[in-house]
Amino acid sequence: GQSLEQPSEVTAVEGAIVQINCTYQTSGFYGLSWYQQHDGGAPTFLSYNALDGLEETGRFSSFLSRSDSYGYLLLQELQMKDSASYFCAVRGLTGGGNKLTFGTGTQLKVEL
Amino acid sequence: NAGVTQTPKFRVLKTGQSMTLLCAQDMNHEYMYWYRQDPGMGLRLIHYSVGEGTTAKGEVPDGYNVSRLKKQNFLLGLESAAPSQTSVYFCASSYSKGTIIRNEQFFGPGTRLTVL
Repeated sequence: GQSLEQPSEVTAVEGAIVQINCTYQTSGFYGLSWYQQHDGGAPTFLSYNALDGLEETGRFSSFLSRSDSYGYLLLQELQMKDSASYFCAVRGLTGGGNKLTFGTGTQLKVEL
Repeated sequence: NAGVTQTPKFRVLKTGQSMTLLCAQDMNHEYMYWYRQDPGMGLRLIHYSVGEGTTAKGEVPDGYNVSRLKKQNFLLGLESAAPSQTSVYFCASSYSKGTIIRNEQFFGPGTRLTVL
């Protein structure tokens, strides 16, 4: 199976840069994904890393190092609307159906 | 497109009652999923379906049943509700090709269920 660990909470100020880490244990997987969830809302897809390295999408970037079983989500120029929970997720090599295993989530609080 | 919709949005049950949660998607997705989300536990997969007429167990299937009679609908049933099933339930869907490469799933707005 797979297991993923994330910090439970991170606090940062508006305009700053914050990094949310994700470490995982899996025998193999099809890349690392990140989802955002605002309070009371549904999770929404943010980014995906199939290979080692950095992927950039606007203010958000995501990084993966398969050799270190580690990834992170980087949020730049933080805005109040970025206050949300962020989940990393992997899809294992075995079984079908694009099943995902999610981390327990990191709650990001952006302060003025 | 409405995307993924769920009914009802809220529900309160008494222990032992039964209910069915309905999920519908209009994106012609092959795969559909039911998750539960509890504080500090993240999203846990209950059951999933890779196509019409097929279902499979996820990580926490006990106490739940599912059916996928039509491609666009995925039903989650609780035959005898227990307080431990108090949770927020999310339905999701994904393509069988294309965005499956990105591990992308599309989620509904959730159903908040309380079992007393």
